[in-house]
Amino acid sequence: DQQVKQNSPSLSVQEGRISILNCDYTNSMFDYFLWYKKYPAEGPTFLISISSIKDKNEDGRFTVFLNKSAKHLSLHIVPSQPGDSAVYFCAASGHNQGGKLIFGQGTELSVKP
Amino acid sequence: DVKVTQSSRYLVKRTGEKVFLECVQDMDHENMFWYRQDPGLGLRLIYFSYDVKMKEKGDIPEGYSVSREKKERFSLILESASTNQTSMYLCASSFSREVLAKNIQYFGAGTRLSVL
Repeated sequence: DQQVKQNSPSLSVQEGRISILNCDYTNSMFDYFLWYKKYPAEGPTFLISISSIKDKNEDGRFTVFLNKSAKHLSLHIVPSQPGDSAVYFCAASGHNQGGKLIFGQGTELSVKP
Repeated sequence: DVKVTQSSRYLVKRTGEKVFLECVQDMDHENMFWYRQDPGLGLRLIYFSYDVKMKEKGDIPEGYSVSREKKERFSLILESASTNQTSMYLCASSFSREVLAKNIQYFGAGTRLSVL
């Protein structure tokens, strides 16, 4: 049972435009959400996170939005740059998860010059 | 900066061999994790550990075991490698499970294992 889902395996965006990556979850006990970025042949690196007490968190070009009622979060990248091309994973955690993260399947973003 | 080091970037092994994947972290983190990454399946948790000599099964522990004799080191063992264990293996660590904000996991570069 996939508790965290990223339904778009891939996304292609023009340089300078907005990239929007989506993630849905089913477990209402999740209260902390993270996004990771992964380049080929490297490990994932932490990008940004959000607690369930917030609905938005910004860090430079990256903004994560959380809609608890819809059990949906999204990552916005503005403006998109070719160096943003990577696989993006969303992950969820909660006090009842014992420190574990539950990952989605990933979305491969391609930013074209 | 947190550093998680995996001993090998690439490994090629034969079916039936015993395989050891080593992971070391230098930030005195309590928690360590082993995942495998396969296309379309994301990161799947194999085993994790909250403390020395402690281990917990993740979502796909079959065919694997782990060892944590020292806080900084977490080893993944494939008792008898099979072709369906060909994958990218990722080790991660995090500070504590007690505070959610400290659940951020830091990953190693990964080991690409091919079992022939």
